[in-house]
Amino acid sequence: DADVTQTPRNRITKTGKRIMLECSQTKGHDRMYWYRQDPGLGLRLIYYSFDVKDINKGEISDGYSVSRQAQAKFSLSLESAIPNQTALYFCATSDFGRGQETQYFGPGTRLLVL
Amino acid sequence: DAKTTQPPSMDCAEGRAANLPCNHSTISGNEYVYWYRQIHSQGPQYIIHGLKNNETNEMASLIITEDRKSSTLILPHATLRDTAVYYCIVTNRDDKIIFGKGTRLHILP
Repeated sequence: DADVTQTPRNRITKTGKRIMLECSQTKGHDRMYWYRQDPGLGLRLIYYSFDVKDINKGEISDGYSVSRQAQAKFSLSLESAIPNQTALYFCATSDFGRGQETQYFGPGTRLLVL
Repeated sequence: DAKTTQPPSMDCAEGRAANLPCNHSTISGNEYVYWYRQIHSQGPQYIIHGLKNNETNEMASLIITEDRKSSTLILPHATLRDTAVYYCIVTNRDDKIIFGKGTRLHILP
């Protein structure tokens, strides 16, 4: 089984709808991240969480919110989806040991907002 | 903003060593250099990281200059499966991880 899972893998929605993307991990990591990727571009950080009670904005948090329900779960919500939120979304967890941090990524969620 | 600068694309012949450069002139003493790669639209994959010493693992070697202002990722015998976008990242234990645009590496048959 995959260590970092994302649901759904693909989603089509309409402008104005509220949707939630979910991420679960079995690696026991404290740190979790949400990124988006647009075609031909690198990953941009949306939100990140260093533990269950910690939520931080990333580079492009406007229009998004997150919830860290447990160590293993980190959800990303689009309260009112708009077409320019069409993108590939990745969740990641990180292993922080000996002062060094290595990230592990989920398979991604393709979102299309019509 | 990303703390690194990488060329947008590079070509390398199959079987040859691929040398991917990265500039990080503002790196701080407690920041590590990490390399990840992303094949097509999969999630990025960790390759290697280092602080100041050169590092080698089963995937690649990392060469960091003495002043730590730049580094080079070396794939010793590139194959077609190494075609990917390679990201160089600088970060410390208290900071978030920011990806730049990376280098798109094309392995030519």
